Amino acid sequence: QSVLTQPPSASGTPGQTVTISCSGSSSNIGSYAVNWYQQIPGTAPRLLIYIHGQRPSGVSDRFSGSKSGTSASLAISGLQPEDEADYYCASWDDSLNIWVFGGGTKLTVL
Amino acid sequence: QVQLVQSGTEVKKPGASVKISCQASGYSFSNYFLHWVRQAPGHGLEWMGILDVGGGSTTYAQKLQGRVSLTRDTSTRTFYMELSSLRDEDTAVYFCASQEAGRGFDPWGQGTLVSVAS
Repeated sequence: QSVLTQPPSASGTPGQTVTISCSGSSSNIGSYAVNWYQQIPGTAPRLLIYIHGQRPSGVSDRFSGSKSGTSASLAISGLQPEDEADYYCASWDDSLNIWVFGGGTKLTVL
Repeated sequence: QVQLVQSGTEVKKPGASVKISCQASGYSFSNYFLHWVRQAPGHGLEWMGILDVGGGSTTYAQKLQGRVSLTRDTSTRTFYMELSSLRDEDTAVYFCASQEAGRGFDPWGQGTLVSVAS
């Protein structure tokens, strides 16, 4: 049972916009930044979004992040076949004193 | 540009210890943190602990307290994660990941598979 709650799966067709949610609490998302990671199976995670909505260099502007209260979301616009991967949200939790991750959302591009 | 390269696959018996290395290049050795995260087969990401690259201080996940140790060798820019009293459930891919203050975990090492089996 993950501290941050994500839907286990999401799907969309090429060109669509897909949104993945991440629900937490006041001890994590409600008080700290949310980061989003993409993981293609068999490879290391890759940072997509940090501090809610900033993108590292090299990350497509098709990826965007937002936060409201104790929830955050990742939006992927103009969905492409190469976006098929697992997506994880993460935040610091000051009650547990650990970084916490969501359980991950498997995105399928139909 | 920071790059992290990890050591290779380890196969261990229950009760043994494992020490994984993570060599960094492109580091300024100030204002960086080095995290360790593991992923059991078919499961999500689990944070294990953090090392302050500049000062050397560490914080561990309470679940692993007493079994995990994070260290560094500044001369070779190599970081180490040692996990003792291994159990079957420690079988996982272990990742190191760098964090510049105020940013996310970026980049990550390629991962090291640790298999624990009798």
